[in-house]
Amino acid sequence: AQTVTQSQPEMSVQEAETVTLSCTYDTSESDYYLFWYKQPPSRQMILVIRQEAYKQQNATENRFSVNFQKAAKSFSLKISDSQLGDAAMYFCAYRSAWANQAGTALIFGKGTTLSVSS
Amino acid sequence: DTGVSQDPRHKITKRGQNVTFRCDPISEHNRLYWYRQTLGQGPEFLTYFQNEAQLEKSRLLSDRFSAERPKGSFSTLEIQRTEQGDSAMYLCASSLRGGNNEQFFGPGTRLTVL
Repeated sequence: AQTVTQSQPEMSVQEAETVTLSCTYDTSESDYYLFWYKQPPSRQMILVIRQEAYKQQNATENRFSVNFQKAAKSFSLKISDSQLGDAAMYFCAYRSAWANQAGTALIFGKGTTLSVSS
Repeated sequence: DTGVSQDPRHKITKRGQNVTFRCDPISEHNRLYWYRQTLGQGPEFLTYFQNEAQLEKSRLLSDRFSAERPKGSFSTLEIQRTEQGDSAMYLCASSLRGGNNEQFFGPGTRLTVL
């Protein structure tokens, strides 16, 4: 079974600085997707960024980028120029690329709470 | 608003009572998912539908839980004989078919069992 591990329960960063959130995963599959979701306090979860395992190029979305190391099974999120609105819980998630029975479900880590100070 | 909606947003019930939650997905999405999130944890998969067919159920979904998606539109999740351990946030998400398609989440229903 696949697992996702986020080893940093809490992180903090100052406005305009850069922070990196860590995520490792375990799988025997070769084809899969990885995601970072953001869950602000009392608000719904939204997708921040996604990465296809077959792509070697790291995904970027404006101030958000990932460092995807397939051999190491590592998928970290870098937030540049941090803003107060980035404060939230961030979840790393895995999803199999195969449309088997459980292949469509997201498998989440326990999350990292990011606080941003001015 | 064309996002995923859930009703109610909060539910407080006494142990042993039955509760039912509703999820309305984004209209063109044929896949619908239910997850459960306890405090300080990531969401855990419960079940998913493709159109009206329930294709997968997690081991977390005990016999007291049942989900339906009649006509492939909205979905309901019912918990019978609630227990204190059922207290959690129940999240619904929907997506188009395809592994790379984003799952859009609703705001969740927070259940408290007294």
